[in-house]
Amino acid sequence: NAGVMQNPRHLVRRRGQEARLRCSPMKGHSHVYWYRQLPEEGLKFMVYLQKENIIDESGMPKERFSAEFPKEGPSILRIQQVVRGDSAAYFCASSPGTAFQPQHFGDGTRLSIL
Amino acid sequence: ILNVEQSPQSLHVQEGDSTNFTCSFPSSNFYALHWYRWETAKSPEALFVMTLNGDEKKKGRISATLNTKEGYSYLYIKGSQPEDSATYLCAFESEGNTGKLIFGQGTTLQVKP
Repeated sequence: NAGVMQNPRHLVRRRGQEARLRCSPMKGHSHVYWYRQLPEEGLKFMVYLQKENIIDESGMPKERFSAEFPKEGPSILRIQQVVRGDSAAYFCASSPGTAFQPQHFGDGTRLSIL
Repeated sequence: ILNVEQSPQSLHVQEGDSTNFTCSFPSSNFYALHWYRWETAKSPEALFVMTLNGDEKKKGRISATLNTKEGYSYLYIKGSQPEDSATYLCAFESEGNTGKLIFGQGTTLQVKP
């Protein structure tokens, strides 16, 4: 019963390095969503992707952050030149894309910036 | 700015008590209202997707109602058990921005045996 798979579970980076977070959606799901949970805050929407397309990136910081969902392979959330404020839990969710379906969440990647 | 509010922030009840909490959301451009249950160290688990005004959904001892005209949803747990201890999140999905869930801060429920 393969759910949404995220890796790594924990990632430690030094300031200025790049962080790559991976998400494999549930089988049969073509829609992927990324959310961020900053310390002491709730889940905040970042980006919504379908295969090879960004549908809504209204929650993405304007600089250093990018996301992709290629035709083959997992979705990638990339953070360049990380800063301490990027420390957070990043959650990926997927859905089949049909109307009124729930989004199924992965276990998240905890990113720590030294 | 869309605001989704949940109350109370936290709740402590005894095993066997029934409880309920509230989610308030914008009453315009409604598309769907999602409820999730989030246990510590696990991923959020989808409970309900509610779409129609007056909707009532049930899953075991948990049920939810929806009022889209006034912008609120209630989640009820009948006969709480210690395993119900979790944070319960609601999320608003608006027309024109489907797929983008706006989450409330959650209600954390602690059920004492």
